Amino acid sequence: ELKVEQNPLFLSMQEGKNYTIYCNYSTTSDRLYWYRQDPGKSLESLFVLLSNGAVKQEGRLMASLDTKARLSTLHITAAVHDLSATYFCAAPFNRDNYGQNFVFGPGTRLSVLP
Amino acid sequence: SAVISQKPSRDICQRGTSLTIQCQVDSQVTMMFWYRQQPGQSLTLIATANQGSEATYESGFVIDKFPISRPNLTFSTLTVSNMSPEDSSIYLCSVPLPGLAGLYEQYFGPGTRLTVT
Repeated sequence: ELKVEQNPLFLSMQEGKNYTIYCNYSTTSDRLYWYRQDPGKSLESLFVLLSNGAVKQEGRLMASLDTKARLSTLHITAAVHDLSATYFCAAPFNRDNYGQNFVFGPGTRLSVLP
Repeated sequence: SAVISQKPSRDICQRGTSLTIQCQVDSQVTMMFWYRQQPGQSLTLIATANQGSEATYESGFVIDKFPISRPNLTFSTLTVSNMSPEDSSIYLCSVPLPGLAGLYEQYFGPGTRLTVT
């Protein structure tokens, strides 16, 4: 059974600081997804990491994937208040092209304080 | 990406009643997924809805409680039956759509926020 863990679950940080969110998953997966959810809203796709060593960056967020360690990281650089949200990682349970049956991590609730 | 809409966006229901949630996609898709997100929690897959066949339910979810219809390739409904306060959640539909490198990404509808009193 695929399990996905994240840490920390809650993160309060000051603007301008850097921090990393970690996502571990329990079985082999060659892809990993990151989503953002604002309060009361749906999920917004941030990154799709498709292979070992993949690194993607968008603004102040950078995600990486190490399939051997079954670890993905989401690094936040010089945080700003607008980044306050809950961040989820997800791994597909079935390794077919549809990436169906996602298993989601518990989420990391990020608060960026002025 | 596609436009995914859900109705209603939110509702407050009395225990013992049922609510049907609609999910509409602006393109044809083979699979549609229904997720539940309980307050402050992560997402849990309820079932996979394929057009022309019975929905496939995940462990802990049964058809009598969450009947699903999938009449065509752009539409699905999820009914939450005989509701109790424990059913208070956000219900989201999602569809896999082609993304980068020929692989599919999951896109989510805006969600239906259900409160059962």
